[in-house]
Amino acid sequence: DAGVIQSPRHEVTEMGQEVTLRCKPISGHNSLFWYRQTMMRGLELLIYFNNNVPIDDSGMPEDRFSAKMPNASFSTLKIQPSEPRDSAVYFCASQSTGSNTEAFFGQGTRLTVV
Amino acid sequence: AQSVTQLGSHVSVSEGALVLLRCNYSSSVPPYLFWYVQYPNQGLQLLLKYTSAATLVKGINGFEAEFKKSETSFHLTKPSAHMSDAAEYFCAVSRGRYSTLTFGKGTMLLVSP
Repeated sequence: DAGVIQSPRHEVTEMGQEVTLRCKPISGHNSLFWYRQTMMRGLELLIYFNNNVPIDDSGMPEDRFSAKMPNASFSTLKIQPSEPRDSAVYFCASQSTGSNTEAFFGQGTRLTVV
Repeated sequence: AQSVTQLGSHVSVSEGALVLLRCNYSSSVPPYLFWYVQYPNQGLQLLLKYTSAATLVKGINGFEAEFKKSETSFHLTKPSAHMSDAAEYFCAVSRGRYSTLTFGKGTMLLVSP
């Protein structure tokens, strides 16, 4: 398996624009997580899905943020409109709720909002 | 609620020296504990995990960690640092096998020749 795949790796956008981050989890994993990493706040859980259903989105900072998981192999995190304070690295992770307790992380998307 | 405290945002060691990265946790239930490593411009990679079995856990790259309930600690150690160990290390806690992870702020390990 190629692991968790995120795209794009880097995104630079202007304030006010819509940004869509994409994630392909590891095949067979039924939990998917979106994290945000900043210098100030470290790694924060934004939302997680189990079997494509959002379970906990209490970490989503504002209504400008939304996440979807239309099927088991794809998820998106959208920011609309984007703001400079959204600049961060966004990680997607997936996990199997079988015997393995490990979450596997993608390489992240570095978002810069100017 | 759970939380993780990593003491020291930066730790510097010489090549060949002992590595000790500190992690203390708070959890209302028996915790699952993890150490992840992040190399520059990369995602997080699991080093090791404690899931209520042996308290001394051995991981990849020569790292190990010991779960001490009385001290609510899960410190990460390696007997001899290599230059390739330079990275950021994150301690994390979860409530159970399938619960979300709460991460510490991370400790940057610097290794000098």
